[in-house]
Amino acid sequence: DTGVSQDPRHKITKRGQNVTFRCDPISEHNRLYWYRQTLGQGPEFLTYFQNEAQLEKSRLLSDRFSAERPKGSFSTLEIQRTEQGDSAMYLCASSKLIGGGETQYFGPGTRLLVL
Amino acid sequence: AQRVTQPEKLLSVFKGAPVELKCNYSYSGSPELFWYVQYSRQRLQLLLRHISRESIKGFTADLNKGETSFHLKKPFAQEEDSAMYYCALRGSGGSNYKLTFGKGTLLTVNP
Repeated sequence: DTGVSQDPRHKITKRGQNVTFRCDPISEHNRLYWYRQTLGQGPEFLTYFQNEAQLEKSRLLSDRFSAERPKGSFSTLEIQRTEQGDSAMYLCASSKLIGGGETQYFGPGTRLLVL
Repeated sequence: AQRVTQPEKLLSVFKGAPVELKCNYSYSGSPELFWYVQYSRQRLQLLLRHISRESIKGFTADLNKGETSFHLKKPFAQEEDSAMYYCALRGSGGSNYKLTFGKGTLLTVNP
């Protein structure tokens, strides 16, 4: 297993366009997270899935954002009507709860630039 | 609300010198604290977690609940330690999944 993968790695789009990112977690990891990181900041939590259920969404996730994990495996994050403020690195992480503890493993991220 | 503060954006030391990266947190319950590291052109990866109480690559960190701190220390820095370091917190109870990160400290170890 090569770890968490994300596609695409880079995306440039024009304001108002829709974009979709994909995350493939480590197999058998039932928890999946999306974070956003802007310049000079640490990653900020966006949303969390346990299997296919989306259990929490941050207030950062406006109604233009939607995330899915249809079969409890890969996940997609869609941004509709992109704005320049959406430019950021979008990180995906996965984990599995073992004995009350877990480690989140991060993907390489998708860097979005909205022109 | 949970918050993580890393007061230093940049930290520069010479090879062989001791290094301490500061991390303070705010959380009303019993948190779990982590240090993540990101080397140049690599993904974010876990360095250590307080419950493991282990030393990784010569780094240690002790959770001080009285001072609400989780500083990362290494007695003799190496050039390969140059990286971005993030302190992170995970809460207990209902919010025991998401991580709250600090803004990070960029460590440069000079030869």
